[in-house]
Amino acid sequence: DTGVSQDPRHKITKRGQNVTFRCDPISEHNRLYWYRQTLGQGPEFLTYFQNEAQLEKSRLLSDRFSAERPKGSFSTLEIQRTEQGDSAMYLCASSLATGLTDTQYFGPGTRLTVL
Amino acid sequence: GESVGLHLPTLSVQEGDNSIINCAYSNSASDYFIWYKQESGKGPQFIIDIRSNMDKRQGQRVTVLLNKTVKHLSLQIAATQPGDSAVYFCAEKTEAAGNKLTFGGGTRVLVKP
Repeated sequence: DTGVSQDPRHKITKRGQNVTFRCDPISEHNRLYWYRQTLGQGPEFLTYFQNEAQLEKSRLLSDRFSAERPKGSFSTLEIQRTEQGDSAMYLCASSLATGLTDTQYFGPGTRLTVL
Repeated sequence: GESVGLHLPTLSVQEGDNSIINCAYSNSASDYFIWYKQESGKGPQFIIDIRSNMDKRQGQRVTVLLNKTVKHLSLQIAATQPGDSAVYFCAEKTEAAGNKLTFGGGTRVLVKP
């Protein structure tokens, strides 16, 4: 499968613990995005990278969230001191920047449950 | 801020009939629109996109219509099949606002056999 992959698919953690998610984009895609989706809602943008540079961060991304893409390929999203409000589906997408219509392809997501 | 929204939260359609899913957007500067399909437990799947300099675009069994005058977007699915049952999201992007997509709240399509 050459699509976007995410790991783990599910994560259950206790409040206050740190969690880290991984995203592997489609090969050769230079842009990588993180979104968060709660039940019944559309995905909300968190941050995106072009190659290894983090170019934009949403105001939704509190100081407890950090994302990296050290070599311009896979990316990690870490949440420190998790809170129950962090429970959501975390989606990763990638695209090949070709101007305005760089289509974003999504992975299956990581569902986080904070107890 | 500006948002993208949908008129109907749930659409029930008979198998074989055509489906029409509507979406209203409020940002007149939006210049790129996308429809995604999301099945339970999966990530959004790209269906079709359209730029603001177009008013219609066709794919396989799907057509997207854009009416910039009233800021309305629709997705038409021809001969709806059981596999089309999912939640459909419209999303928009504004070049001036960067590369993030802004999604609406979704419409659930239920296909009845």
